Amino acid sequence: DQQVKQNSPSLSVQEGRISILNCDYTNSMFDYFLWYKKYPAEGPTFLISISSIKDKNEDGRFTVFLNKSAKHLSLHIVPSQPGDSAVYFCAASVGSGAGSYQLTFGKGTKLSVIP
Amino acid sequence: DTAVSQTPKYLVTQMGNDKSIKCEQNLGHDTMYWYKQDSKKFLKIMFSYNNKELIINETVPNRFSPKSPDKAHLNLHINSLELGDSAVYFCASSQDRLVRGNEQYFGPGTRLTVT
Repeated sequence: DQQVKQNSPSLSVQEGRISILNCDYTNSMFDYFLWYKKYPAEGPTFLISISSIKDKNEDGRFTVFLNKSAKHLSLHIVPSQPGDSAVYFCAASVGSGAGSYQLTFGKGTKLSVIP
Repeated sequence: DTAVSQTPKYLVTQMGNDKSIKCEQNLGHDTMYWYKQDSKKFLKIMFSYNNKELIINETVPNRFSPKSPDKAHLNLHINSLELGDSAVYFCASSQDRLVRGNEQYFGPGTRLTVT
């Protein structure tokens, strides 16, 4: 039972263009969402997050958009750089209280930025 | 000055053996986790400890036993290893399980291969 889904296993984008990575979730109790980036042979590293009380959060080249009614979020990277090539994981949690320690991850999307 | 470290990075062993993976964090975090990334690339939580107390124990065979000697360490011991245990195991930590926006910091992973 996948509660967090990343339906695109891979994505290729030209350097300088926009990368859009998508994530859908089914559990309406999730109210905090995170994106992690993972390089080969390394652990995931935190990238950006968003609370369900917001619909957008921006950090430099990275923006996360949340559409609660559609249970959908997306990560935009503008402009894309070759160093952004990695696997991106979407994760969700209950934002506070007893369940906040538990992250549910998607399967990941491998982004390749072509120079 | 690695934040979350795991040893060993690679572990190759035969079925039936018992092995341990060690994890240490120097971030002063209260909560530590073990995740398993299987061949389908899903990152699934196995255990979580908060201040040396077990707070998550997902449906994991009892051949897996976490041990937390102090809040900076969470080791994973696996008895009677099976082929299906082959995976990458990630340790992670976070500051406070009840804080909104529970960013977790991951170790580099331990690739376990059971032959």
